[in-house]
Amino acid sequence: DAGVIQSPRHEVTEMGQEVTLRCKPISGHDYLFWYRQTMMRGLELLIYFNNNVPIDDSGMPEDRFSAKMPNASFSTLKIQPSEPRDSAVYFCASRATRGAADNEQFFGPGTRLTVL
Amino acid sequence: AQSVTQLGSHVSVSEGALVLLRCNYSSSVPPYLFWYVQYPNQGLQLLLKYTTGATLVKGINGFEAEFKKSETSFHLTKPSAHMSDAAEYFCAVGPWNKLIFGAGTRLAVHP
Repeated sequence: DAGVIQSPRHEVTEMGQEVTLRCKPISGHDYLFWYRQTMMRGLELLIYFNNNVPIDDSGMPEDRFSAKMPNASFSTLKIQPSEPRDSAVYFCASRATRGAADNEQFFGPGTRLTVL
Repeated sequence: AQSVTQLGSHVSVSEGALVLLRCNYSSSVPPYLFWYVQYPNQGLQLLLKYTTGATLVKGINGFEAEFKKSETSFHLTKPSAHMSDAAEYFCAVGPWNKLIFGAGTRLAVHP
């Protein structure tokens, strides 16, 4: 099993540029989560999807952030325009329910974003 | 509302010594509790979880945690630390789809 795949692993961009982070969940998983990790705020849930539908986006910090899941095997998190305070590690995680309510979330390796 | 407090942002132990990482939670409903480990430049990996049933939970790599409702605690322990245990550890509370993470405790293991 390949696990959750994220790309790129590192991204350096300049303020004002658009940034797109990508995630491929584990095959068969029906939940997908986007998290952000910073020193100041720790690990925060941004948004999650169930069967490709956004369920809770209350953690998305601003309108500059948007997330999509066009199909079961792909999701994007976009920041437009990016700002230095967006610098963080962004994690994607996926989870399968398969009738059980307590199946764990599997995390990807993260994308380290630096906005100059 | 739910919250998690991890006491001690850094813990240092000698190889072979007891590891104790502290976690207290706040929850208005019976909590689901978790411990995750994060190695450098990697994502989080589940160590163990408590949902219902036995309050002493055993996880991977020799770790265990005990749910104590009266103390609202879920401390993580390991009898004998290995160098490979050096990592950051996160306690979390909540349903699977709305995990609230603590700030993390960085564990250092020295020879």
